[in-house]
Amino acid sequence: DAGVIQSPRHEVTEMGQEVTLRCKPISGHNSLFWYRQTMMRGLELLIYFNNNVPIDDSGMPEDRFSAKMPNASFSTLKIQPSEPRDSAVYFCASSLLQVGYTFGSGTRLTVV
Amino acid sequence: KNQVEQSPQSLIILEGKNCTLQCNYTVSPFSNLRWYKQDTGRGPVSLTIMTFSENTKSNGRYTATLDADTKQSSLHITASQLSDSASYICVVSEQAGTALIFGKGTTLSVSS
Repeated sequence: DAGVIQSPRHEVTEMGQEVTLRCKPISGHNSLFWYRQTMMRGLELLIYFNNNVPIDDSGMPEDRFSAKMPNASFSTLKIQPSEPRDSAVYFCASSLLQVGYTFGSGTRLTVV
Repeated sequence: KNQVEQSPQSLIILEGKNCTLQCNYTVSPFSNLRWYKQDTGRGPVSLTIMTFSENTKSNGRYTATLDADTKQSSLHITASQLSDSASYICVVSEQAGTALIFGKGTTLSVSS
């Protein structure tokens, strides 16, 4: 298995632009998580899905952030409009009933 | 509020030496505790996972301990190597099926 695949690895965008981050979970995993990591705050959960259904989105900072999981093999995290304070590394992780919890390599987002 | 606190924040040791990282948590109810290693620019990778009934688990030169009564865990690294330089993150799961609660990590630097 190729593991959790995220794209792009790096994204640089101008303030106000829309940003879409993508994640392909491990096949067979039924939970998918989006995290944001910064030096100040460490890893923070943004949202997670069980069986493609959003369960807890209380970590999504604002309405500018939205996430979708249209099927078991794909999820997106969208920021519109982006702001400089959104600059961070965004990780996607997937698991099967809390077993085999695996992270992707992350997307480093820089908003200028 | 459920929290995971790690100490020290950073640590520098000489190659070949041992070290111990600490983790205290207030998460309740408690399902399991994990230690992750995160290399620079990569996603976290699981080292060990322990349920409340386990008090020690090893993975090569890494040994994790857990005291569920005092809500403390430690990660001991034996005969450190340069490749051990990374951030080590303690992660607690509140209960099966929910997301994980992350500590901010300890940054370990191993020098020759």
